[in-house]
Amino acid sequence: EDQVTQSPEALRLQEGESSSLNCSYTVSGLRGLFWYRQDPGKGPEFLFTLYSAGEEKEKERLKATLTKKESFLHITAPKPEDSATYLCAVQANSGGNTGKLIFGQGTTLQVKP
Amino acid sequence: DTAVSQTPKYLVTQMGNDKSIKCEQNLGHDTMYWYKQDSKKFLKIMFSYNNKELIINETVPNRFSPKSPDKAHLNLHINSLELGDSAVYFCASSLEYAINSPLHFGNGTRLTVT
Repeated sequence: EDQVTQSPEALRLQEGESSSLNCSYTVSGLRGLFWYRQDPGKGPEFLFTLYSAGEEKEKERLKATLTKKESFLHITAPKPEDSATYLCAVQANSGGNTGKLIFGQGTTLQVKP
Repeated sequence: DTAVSQTPKYLVTQMGNDKSIKCEQNLGHDTMYWYKQDSKKFLKIMFSYNNKELIINETVPNRFSPKSPDKAHLNLHINSLELGDSAVYFCASSLEYAINSPLHFGNGTRLTVT
């Protein structure tokens, strides 16, 4: 069964303290891995798509990387406005060409000033 | 200038009632989805429509019935509401259901069944 697991569940950082969020996946065949950011009371907002192992994408203080078993979201020198829940999702071959995403439970990041 | 809008934002109702959630997107996308987010923040797909045609119908009780009157709208009707239906329901859309079309989500409808 296709599965996505994120760790840690919650992460507290001081402003400027860099860290990484982990997304481990077990799928029949990976079509793509997605990172989303979700603020309280809002819908998830798209950040990145990664398609193959070794691929990296960057946006401001965020950098996403992908291996054959997991993805990392690296946050460099975070600011309080980076506080949010970060969701990882995969699109697997088992879902066919339907756009179906399988989500992890998210990592809630809090950055203190 | 909201891209994906859902109404209502909050819905409180009693067990056994029937309710609807409406969703509209102004992005010109062909594919729309309903996702359910439980109290542990797991997002799980329920339905997806492409050009008004049902593409995905996950293991969802028959009490849930989506309706897509046109490409820009996907409504969700729920009959005989149960306590376990309490969750946040998100509508989303994408240009197509291909891998390189990221989802755009609405801000959710928080359903509370008492």
